[in-house]
Amino acid sequence: GQNIDQPTEMTATEGAIVQINCTYQTSGFNGLFWYQQHAGEAPTFLSYNVLDGLEEKGRFSSFLSRSKGYSYLLLKELQMKDSASYLCAVRDTGAGSYQLTFGKGTKLSVIP
Amino acid sequence: DTGVSQNPRHKITKRGQNVTFRCDPISEHNRLYWYRQTLGQGPEFLTYFQNEAQLEKSRLLSDRFSAERPKGSFSTLEIQRTEQGDSAMYLCASSPGTAGEKLFFGSGTQLSVL
Repeated sequence: GQNIDQPTEMTATEGAIVQINCTYQTSGFNGLFWYQQHAGEAPTFLSYNVLDGLEEKGRFSSFLSRSKGYSYLLLKELQMKDSASYLCAVRDTGAGSYQLTFGKGTKLSVIP
Repeated sequence: DTGVSQNPRHKITKRGQNVTFRCDPISEHNRLYWYRQTLGQGPEFLTYFQNEAQLEKSRLLSDRFSAERPKGSFSTLEIQRTEQGDSAMYLCASSPGTAGEKLFFGSGTQLSVL
């Protein structure tokens, strides 16, 4: 089985930097994904990590440490439109290796 | 590329009724997934198809739930004898079947069982 933990809510100021953490416990590991989901909308892909280290994509970066079962999503130069839920998801290596298991999501509120 | 399409967007039904949802994946994607999401929770995996074959089903998927993908293109999810606990957003996603693939989600069908 898999267990994925991330904070329930976070608040940050427009223009600032915020880091959203995710820890996971899995029997196998075949990649970690971050998705953004605005209220009432579909999740949209942000980033993918399968090897240790930092992946940068514009204002968004994602870090992975497989030995620690830990990832974070870093959002820079926050904008009001970044207010959304951020979902951490892990792909296993077992029989269910095609599905993603999602955490409960972190609701980020960006304030002026 | 028109993205993943789901119909209807909203469905209100009475307890005990049957409902069916449709998902049209991105045309070249051979993998299709159904997830369920309730308020404040992440999506929960229900079932997965590769082409027309249903390869995996979650323990969450009771006997009242059935999914099909008859020609390996669109898929339907049917819930029989709906219960109030079935109220949720039902999300469909597709992927191309490549290494490190990401899932592309539809906008979902919001089911309310009264």
